[in-house]
Amino acid sequence: GDSVTQMEGPVTLSEEAFLTINCTYTATGYPSLFWYVQYPGEGLQLLLKATKADDKGSNKGFEATYRKETTSFHLEKGSVQVSDSAVYFCALGRNQGGKLIFGQGTELSVKP
Amino acid sequence: DTGVSQNPRHKITKRGQNVTFRCDPISEHNRLYWYRQTLGQGPEFLTYFQNEAQLEKSRLLSDRFSAERPKGSFSTLEIQRTEQGDSAMYLCASIGDRMNTEAFFGQGTRLTVV
Repeated sequence: GDSVTQMEGPVTLSEEAFLTINCTYTATGYPSLFWYVQYPGEGLQLLLKATKADDKGSNKGFEATYRKETTSFHLEKGSVQVSDSAVYFCALGRNQGGKLIFGQGTELSVKP
Repeated sequence: DTGVSQNPRHKITKRGQNVTFRCDPISEHNRLYWYRQTLGQGPEFLTYFQNEAQLEKSRLLSDRFSAERPKGSFSTLEIQRTEQGDSAMYLCASIGDRMNTEAFFGQGTRLTVV
């Protein structure tokens, strides 16, 4: 069945450092891929998505490219801020992303 | 605020008791999903409604769990005879049918079974 694997956290970075959070998936066909973010005390929010191979999703300086050849959707940001501290979830979905399969989440802590 | 609303935010119950959670989705969204999230894990799909019809249930949803969406608006998730293993965050999400839409999540109900 479908599954998502993320790099384990926590990840601790200094402000303005480069961020990569690895995500790989196993799925048949062509699911959509998502990154969700969960700030402390808040619900999950969609950060970005890509619906087909080679699509790049981007939002708030974050980017991820749907790589079918490597079954990956790694999240990157060139310069992180303290306000980016949160838990990040990679997910795959079908039917416009209603039913989602999530990775285990990666906690990011950015220090000033 | 017209986002997804879940109540209560926190629930502490004794083992063996029944609990019920409520989810109010975004009003024009006809699809509603329930997920369970345990500590250090990502959310896991439990069940899904299209309007009032429950179209899919996960194997995670044992006989002690039941969900309803009687008028295609709010939904309830009931757990009977709670067990300590039921302690988790229960999340609700809603999504519309338009193209390029996204799932919106509520803040969740944190259940602690003691």
